[in-house]
Amino acid sequence: TQLLEQSPQFLSIQEGENLTVYCNSSSVFSSLQWYRQEPGEGPVLLVTVVTGGEVKKLKRLTFQFGDARKDSSLHITAAQPGDTGLYLCAGPEDSNYQLIWGAGTKLIIKP
Amino acid sequence: GAVVSQHPSRVICKSGTSVKIECRSLDFQATTMFWYRQFPKKSLMLMATSNEGSKATYEQGVEKDKFLINHASLTLSTLTVTSAHPEDSSFYICSATDRGRLEYFGPGTRLTVT
Repeated sequence: TQLLEQSPQFLSIQEGENLTVYCNSSSVFSSLQWYRQEPGEGPVLLVTVVTGGEVKKLKRLTFQFGDARKDSSLHITAAQPGDTGLYLCAGPEDSNYQLIWGAGTKLIIKP
Repeated sequence: GAVVSQHPSRVICKSGTSVKIECRSLDFQATTMFWYRQFPKKSLMLMATSNEGSKATYEQGVEKDKFLINHASLTLSTLTVTSAHPEDSSFYICSATDRGRLEYFGPGTRLTVT
């Protein structure tokens, strides 16, 4: 069974600090996706990483896919209150299109 | 980009009544739609997979007679919560895929059963 473990589950930091969220698995994934969800809304796709070792940048967010395609990380530089939200990683199950989800990281950036 | 809409965004109903939630893909044909349920501070829990023109596939523990899913066209799927009870109160989210590996999510529907 493919599983995704996210850490930390909860993170509260001051504006301007840097942080990293991790998404790990013992299984290989063909790709991993990162979503951000705000209260009362559906998840919004931030990025998809496909190639082992791939690094993608989205403004102050840097996403990395592990060389073995078993893990991914999200690094936020100089966090801002607008970054507050629930960050979810997800990856497609090998046999079908269903996504396997991490439990999420609740991020709070204090001004 | 792809857009998925849900209606209604919020609904309050009395215990024992049924509620229908619509999920529409607005600019693409969704061969598969998924229905998720999300509890407060929790990740999404897949309820069922809906393929156009066929019966939905329900995840273990999800009652198919309780949560009726109809995928009548390539742009519309509906979830009906029958005989709703307070424990059915939750945030329901649909998503749609166009044969690719990306899911596009709707904004969600907040159901409150009183």
